Amino acid sequence: NAGVTQTPKFRVLKTGQSMTLLCAQDMNHEYMYWYRQDPGMGLRLIHYSVGEGTTAKGEVPDGYNVSRLKKQNFLLGLESAAPSQTSVYFCASSYVLGTSERNEQFFGPGTRLTVL
Amino acid sequence: ELKVEQNPLFLSMQEGKNYTIYCNYSTTSDRLYWYRQDPGKSLESLFVLLSNGAVKQEGRLMASLDTKARLSTLHITAAVHDLSATYFCAVDTMNRDDKIIFGKGTRLHILP
Repeated sequence: NAGVTQTPKFRVLKTGQSMTLLCAQDMNHEYMYWYRQDPGMGLRLIHYSVGEGTTAKGEVPDGYNVSRLKKQNFLLGLESAAPSQTSVYFCASSYVLGTSERNEQFFGPGTRLTVL
Repeated sequence: ELKVEQNPLFLSMQEGKNYTIYCNYSTTSDRLYWYRQDPGKSLESLFVLLSNGAVKQEGRLMASLDTKARLSTLHITAAVHDLSATYFCAVDTMNRDDKIIFGKGTRLHILP
């Protein structure tokens, strides 16, 4: 099992450019999440999904869009990148939380994005 | 809205000492998670706490949950250098909307 993978690992964008980050998991997890991590801020939830075809806003959704067309993939889009979106982005997935003590989140390796 | 606060945010301690990291949260929840992150790496799950009074131990780390006080603790016993990392707690908003909200993290530096 590859677990949770993220593509790309690094990216540099210019202000106003668009891009899509791909998260894929092979654990048949229902839930998937996108976080951003900035120094001193911990992880902040951008968007999440509790199942194929569903998405919901997290703490900091502005400037991002997501789609979950297939259960195993969760896409994060930046339509018009801004320097404030420079960050490390982590994807995570889990089974339905709270139903078992084994149902923790599994995190991908992260994508380091710089917006100039 | 759920707020999760950790303290301290930074801790430097000597090997062999004991210490506790605290995680307070603002609304009712019975689900709390602890993660470890090494510099430049992703997050690794340490503990899943799913009920009031839950206690989990792994090696020199022990986590507990008091849902009435809305408090979780991560206790480090006889610290060793390998435990140097950033530790995050995260709280599940549960059936309200299933969000997982993280604290800012505690950066732990253990001096040899």
